[in-house]
Amino acid sequence: EVQLVESGGGLVQPGGSLRLSCAASGFTFSSFWFSWVRQAPGKGLEWVANIKFDGSETYYVDSVRGRFTISRDNAKNSLYLQMNSLRAEDTAVYYCARGDPDYWGQGTLITVSS
Amino acid sequence: QLVLTQSPSASASLGASVKLTCTLSSGHTRYAIAWHQQQPEKGPRYLMKVNSDGSHNKGDGIPDRFSGSSSGAERYLTISSLQSEDEADYYCQTWGIGSWVFGGGTTLTVL
Repeated sequence: EVQLVESGGGLVQPGGSLRLSCAASGFTFSSFWFSWVRQAPGKGLEWVANIKFDGSETYYVDSVRGRFTISRDNAKNSLYLQMNSLRAEDTAVYYCARGDPDYWGQGTLITVSS
Repeated sequence: QLVLTQSPSASASLGASVKLTCTLSSGHTRYAIAWHQQQPEKGPRYLMKVNSDGSHNKGDGIPDRFSGSSSGAERYLTISSLQSEDEADYYCQTWGIGSWVFGGGTTLTVL
């Protein structure tokens, strides 16, 4: 069974940092691109970043480029999102997603507030 | 600019059928899209990919009640024999260069 489990969410002050993790199981992790997608409260889905099978290519939405870093550890079947210089507008549920995507995690909430 | 347009809301009666529409922006009318369902307080769930020729590939465990089709710049999701659990937000999504684009979503109410 394919499972994606995000963790690392919480309350952080503006300007702070947070690292999200996504633990994958039930498939060959290294065979897939992965992405992070977020959803602000009461809003729609917004793609944030994605990463190639081997981590050699990464892409970001303009609003997070230079502040967020997507990475992966294929040996640990894990995806990460390092978020720096957080802003109030980054408040959202963050989902990891596999492939095009064909599977999603359940999400982890990030709240940026003083 | 690659944009997906969806109606904000739709409604249909229990047991009836509903057809949701996702419209691709000019110059991108041959793009494939994917449909995702998000039930209240849950993460999204992949439903299917719909190609420009109307062919579609459903995700694991998606019931036959869900089908996809295309016409020009429009991509459709049809849900037949509506059930209460179909009440959800439905998002279409497509692929740009190294990026994804989502439509604004349609909230489906089952009456």
